[in-house]
This record gives sequence, structure tokens and C-alpha cells, in this order.
Amino acid sequence: ILNVEQSPQSLHVQEGDSTNFTCSFPSSNFYALHWYRWETAKSPEALFVMTLNGDEKKKGRISATLNTKEGYSYLYIKGSQPEDSATYLCAFWNAGNMLTFGGGTRLMVKP
Amino acid sequence: KAGVTQTPRYLIKTRGQQVTLSCSPISGHRSVSWYQQTPGQGLQFLFEYFSETQRNKGNFPGRFSGRQFSNSRSEMNVSTLELGDSALYLCASSWRDFNTGELFFGEGSRLTVL
Repeated sequence: ILNVEQSPQSLHVQEGDSTNFTCSFPSSNFYALHWYRWETAKSPEALFVMTLNGDEKKKGRISATLNTKEGYSYLYIKGSQPEDSATYLCAFWNAGNMLTFGGGTRLMVKP
Repeated sequence: KAGVTQTPRYLIKTRGQQVTLSCSPISGHRSVSWYQQTPGQGLQFLFEYFSETQRNKGNFPGRFSGRQFSNSRSEMNVSTLELGDSALYLCASSWRDFNTGELFFGEGSRLTVL
């Protein structure tokens, strides 16, 4: 069982605040890391697929970075909006194709 | 383009019974993977199929099995149900390898075991 941890577990921010979360994973045998957004009563939706150390990806106000040598990825949301309220999940694959999800960060954005 | 479709959406079974869940992937996607979501354990990987072959398997007992058909539709089966099998079961499809391609998830099948 691989140790994939997300912090914080939950986060309350005001509309307009910028925020970031962390996904920590084993630094050896890295293969891929995904970020997903999961809104209540909906399906998880892919945000980013990251495979290379130093990857930086951006989609609108959301961006992510990847450091495979130290075993972490950051997800940033600039100018949070109420519609950003969701659980953000990271999914880690090692080189043996073992897939482990983090526990998620639940973000609540207050108008 | 139709999304990933899972049936049934909700079902109730009793201990000892078996259940079969179905997943129709997005057209053209050949990888189908299955996941279990429980409050205590979070989201966990069950198995992944590609072109009718199980390529990857998570750490679940043999009571959990699956298969994929030539049209990429997939089924998962849980035999001898236990109370702890109550969960949301999600499937996801991907047009390429499930580790380097985005996963497109269905809405899930919520199983309650009484």
C-alpha cells in the first residue's frame, strides 16, 4: 500500500481568495500523477495529467506543479469562486502501475 | 458524445448475494477501470481492463471480479456480498493507457448491502 497524502483535508475560503493544496507521494518509482475535481452528486472530472518532473500545467484559474524528486504536487486556485467548491483528488501511479488515491481536499468557497 | 454510463445507479442486496454492475465507456475508449468509494477508505482502485484483458488489479479479494467485452463494455461482479461492500462503485474509461490518459468517470452505482 503506497502512502499518498493530501493536505489540508478541508479548507474554507472567501470568494476571491487564492488557495493551494498539496499531494505528497513516494518519490521513488514515480510514473504519473493526476488531479481530479469531484463535485457533490457528480462524477470526478479530470483537471491535469502530469508525468514529468517540473511539469507545470494550467487550466483557467487552476494550475498545478509537480516535483517527483521530492514527492509532491501543488494545486493552485487563483481567485476562488463558489463554483470551485468541490473535493480535489490526486491519483498516483508508480512504475509498477499500482494506483493509489489521496484522501482528497474538500474546498468550500463562501460568497 | 455520450459519457460513461453505469447501470444500475442504485441497488440494494442482502449479505451472501451476488451483484453485477455494468459500465459502457465513451465510444472509442478501450481502457475501463473500476473503483470503490467508501467513507472509511476513500477511493480505491479495483481493476483495469484493456481490449478484453485485465491489465492491472488493486488489492481486493477474489470475490471482486470483472470482465470486458469486445465492444469495450465492462461488468464487475461481487460474490458473497458482505456488509462492508456497501459503497459507491465508479467506473472510468480512457482512450489510452489509464495512467497517462485522462480518466472519464461515470456517475457510479451505489450498492447497499443489508
